[in-house]
Amino acid sequence: DQQVKQNSPSLSVQEGRISILNCDYTNSMFDYFLWYKKYPAEGPTFLISISSIKDKNEDGRFTVFLNKSAKHLSLHIVPSQPGDSAVYFCAASARTGTASKLTFGTGTRLQVTL
Amino acid sequence: ETGVTQTPRHLVMGMTNKKSLKCEQHLGHNAMYWYKQSAKKPLELMFVYNFKEQTENNSVPSRFSPECPNSSHLFLHLHTLQPEDSALYLCASSQAVRRGGPETQYFGPGTRLLVL
Repeated sequence: DQQVKQNSPSLSVQEGRISILNCDYTNSMFDYFLWYKKYPAEGPTFLISISSIKDKNEDGRFTVFLNKSAKHLSLHIVPSQPGDSAVYFCAASARTGTASKLTFGTGTRLQVTL
Repeated sequence: ETGVTQTPRHLVMGMTNKKSLKCEQHLGHNAMYWYKQSAKKPLELMFVYNFKEQTENNSVPSRFSPECPNSSHLFLHLHTLQPEDSALYLCASSQAVRRGGPETQYFGPGTRLLVL
């Protein structure tokens, strides 16, 4: 049973427009949510995170929104740029002892077109 | 070297071979992780080491054997693997904190493994 779901395997957006990537989760014990970006032949790189006690976090062109009642989060990229083309993974964190355990979604491939 | 490095980047092995994957982190972190990414599946956590001690084994078959000699190095020893073990194996590290707070994991580039 997947606890973190990214229901859109791919998304295509024009350069300059807004990209919205969605993620749903089922476990109410998750306390942090993270977005990672992955280029081919590279490992995932951290993009932005949000605590479960907040509903929005912004960092430059990237904003993450969290709706706890709906168990839903989204990543907004505006304006989208061709270099944003990558696979985006949503991850949720639950603490186990003194280390965190991340549960990942299956990813959404974003293609930003000219 | 900076960040998290993994060697080799690609590995082809037969089912009777024994090989090892190596991960090294240069971030001063105290927690290290092994993940497996199979095609069209989410990243699956395999093992967690916290302060060199294994704190999580996510029901991984014994043909995968991790080793963490110090907080900077992590190995994954492989023996008698199956073709379905072919995947991308990713190592990550983080700074474990004892009280709440975010723990961002930083990933290496991965080892793409093919078992024939």
